[in-house]
Amino acid sequence: EVQLVESGGGFVQPGRSLRLSCAASGFTFDDYAMHWVRQAPGKGLEWVSGITWNSGSIAYADSVKGRFTISRDNAKNSLYLQMNSLRAEDTALYYCAKDRLKRSGGFYDMDVWGQGTTVTVSS
Amino acid sequence: DIQMTQSPSSLSASVGDRVTITCRASQSISSYLNWYQQKPGKAPKLLIYAASSLQSGVPSRFSGSGSGADFTLTISGLQPEDFVTYYCQQSYSTPLTFGGGTKVEIK
Repeated sequence: EVQLVESGGGFVQPGRSLRLSCAASGFTFDDYAMHWVRQAPGKGLEWVSGITWNSGSIAYADSVKGRFTISRDNAKNSLYLQMNSLRAEDTALYYCAKDRLKRSGGFYDMDVWGQGTTVTVSS
Repeated sequence: DIQMTQSPSSLSASVGDRVTITCRASQSISSYLNWYQQKPGKAPKLLIYAASSLQSGVPSRFSGSGSGADFTLTISGLQPEDFVTYYCQQSYSTPLTFGGGTKVEIK
């Protein structure tokens, strides 16, 4: 079964850091780009960041650029999101998602999603 | 960044109706347009990719069309499980961006 399981969310004060993880199983992880997408409470979807299968291309939303860092460890079938200088507006459910296209050089659509991990930033 | 505008933001319909949701990009995105369905408390699900290609396992009552800057998602024959929220997303360039969502409600 293809599965993505996020972890690492929690309650954190503004300005602090948090690291999210996503464990993948049921597919060849190092063949696919991966994404982080977030959803603030009661709001729509916001793409946060993406990383290609070989980490050759990385991209961020303007709202997190310079504060968040995406990475992956293909040997561990894992995706990460290091979040620094957190703000109240970063409060959201963070989803890990798999890109549909195999070994593409870019980012397309997301065909497998985890259930998300919640990040709350508040003093 | 490419802005994605969905309309309407919500609509009311009945079981069996045909509904159309529109997504407009702030510039031409060719056919790099995808549609997702999200049920309450659940992760989004890919319905349509590349504007008109039906994702495996998705019922054929869902269809997508359009190219350039204007796109539509059509649901032909609404079923009770279709009364949820739909999002479009462009994959023409990064940052990837989503539309604001359309909530389909029971009339």
